[in-house]
Amino acid sequence: EAGVAQSPRYKIIEKRQSVAFWCNPISGHATLYWYQQILGQGPKLLIQFQNNGVVDDSQLPKDRFSAERLKGVDSTLKIQPAKLEDSAVYLCASSRTETQYFGPGTRLLVL
Amino acid sequence: AQSVAQPEDQVNVAEGNPLTVKCTYSVSGNPYLFWYVQYPNRGLQFLLKYITGDNLVKGSYGFEAEFNKSQTSFHLKKPSALVSDSALYFCAVKNAGNMLTFGGGTRLMVKP
Repeated sequence: EAGVAQSPRYKIIEKRQSVAFWCNPISGHATLYWYQQILGQGPKLLIQFQNNGVVDDSQLPKDRFSAERLKGVDSTLKIQPAKLEDSAVYLCASSRTETQYFGPGTRLLVL
Repeated sequence: AQSVAQPEDQVNVAEGNPLTVKCTYSVSGNPYLFWYVQYPNRGLQFLLKYITGDNLVKGSYGFEAEFNKSQTSFHLKKPSALVSDSALYFCAVKNAGNMLTFGGGTRLMVKP
């Protein structure tokens, strides 16, 4: 069974630029999550989708972050414009039951 | 609000010795508890979980964890540590309706 796929693996941008991350969950997993992991900290949930609907986006900075999962499978997370404090690893996870399975993450550096 | 505490930033253990990584939690209702491991430049890898049933749960790579309701703890253990177990370990908690909340992580260093 293929795991959660994410791309790109690394991204370097300058502040005020925009960036997008892509996630393909495990086949058959209805629930998809985006997390932000700042260096030295545990992951923090940004947004949770159930199929193509948003379940929880209470911790998503909506003035600059957006996410979509149009067909209930792949998802994209966008940041526009990026700030220095957005430098982090962005993790995508998916689940069918209560256990979440994580992708390798995208490491973002904002200069 | 739910929370997880991992009181040790780093745990050092010699290869072959038993290891324990501590975790305490706070959540309303029945807890769902998880341990994940993170190797450098990798995502989080699921190790084990407690949902209900036996307080001692066994997981991948010889790891186990004991759920203690009275102490609100879910410590990760392994009888004999390997150098390859060196990594970052995260404890996480949720209840049936909420999102998963992670602790700050504990770095495990196993020395030969």
